[in-house]
Amino acid sequence: QKEVEQNSGPLSVPEGAIASLNCTYSDRGSQSFFWYRQYSGKSPELIMSIYSNGDKEDGRFTAQLNKASQYVSLLIRDSQPSDSATYLCAGNAGGTSYGKLTFGQGTILTVHP
Amino acid sequence: SAVISQKPSRDICQRGTSLTIQCQVDSQVTMMFWYRQQPGQSLTLIATANQGSEATYESGFVIDKFPISRPNLTFSTLTVSNMSPEDSSIYLCSVREGYEQYFGPGTRLTVT
Repeated sequence: QKEVEQNSGPLSVPEGAIASLNCTYSDRGSQSFFWYRQYSGKSPELIMSIYSNGDKEDGRFTAQLNKASQYVSLLIRDSQPSDSATYLCAGNAGGTSYGKLTFGQGTILTVHP
Repeated sequence: SAVISQKPSRDICQRGTSLTIQCQVDSQVTMMFWYRQQPGQSLTLIATANQGSEATYESGFVIDKFPISRPNLTFSTLTVSNMSPEDSSIYLCSVREGYEQYFGPGTRLTVT
């Protein structure tokens, strides 16, 4: 079973802090990884994608990928109450499963003022 | 990214009936997917909707229960057949653009 596992959460951080969300995956054939943000009652919104080892920064968000350790993370700097949501990690399988996303169970983030 | 719309946005249905969900995209896309999100859960892929051919279903999902049509590169339907309360979920259409996938607003289905 190809799985994506996220740290259990829920995660609560004060406004202005760094929120760290983590994810591990079992399928070494996975080529690319994504972080989605899902507000309650809404559909998932893509916020970061990462395809190669290292860091990728976009505004307050940094995604990190370590393929040797099969580890993906998302850092949110200067967290705001509006960042409070469920964050979903997803891996895109390779080979014959190309294009299919496998999602982790999600981490609920609460940023308190 | 493509603009994706779904109809209906929500519905309440009686057990034993069927509901067809429509997904419309504002541009032609090769890959389109249907996902389910059960209450309090993450997303699970139901099937890949293939244009001009039968959908490809994931383990645990069958065509008789979730028939899918994809008549062209901008439209697809998912039917939830012979519904039971366990089918109460959010059903999401998704499209792939390049390496990334985007989701429609979802259809919230409640089966009573």
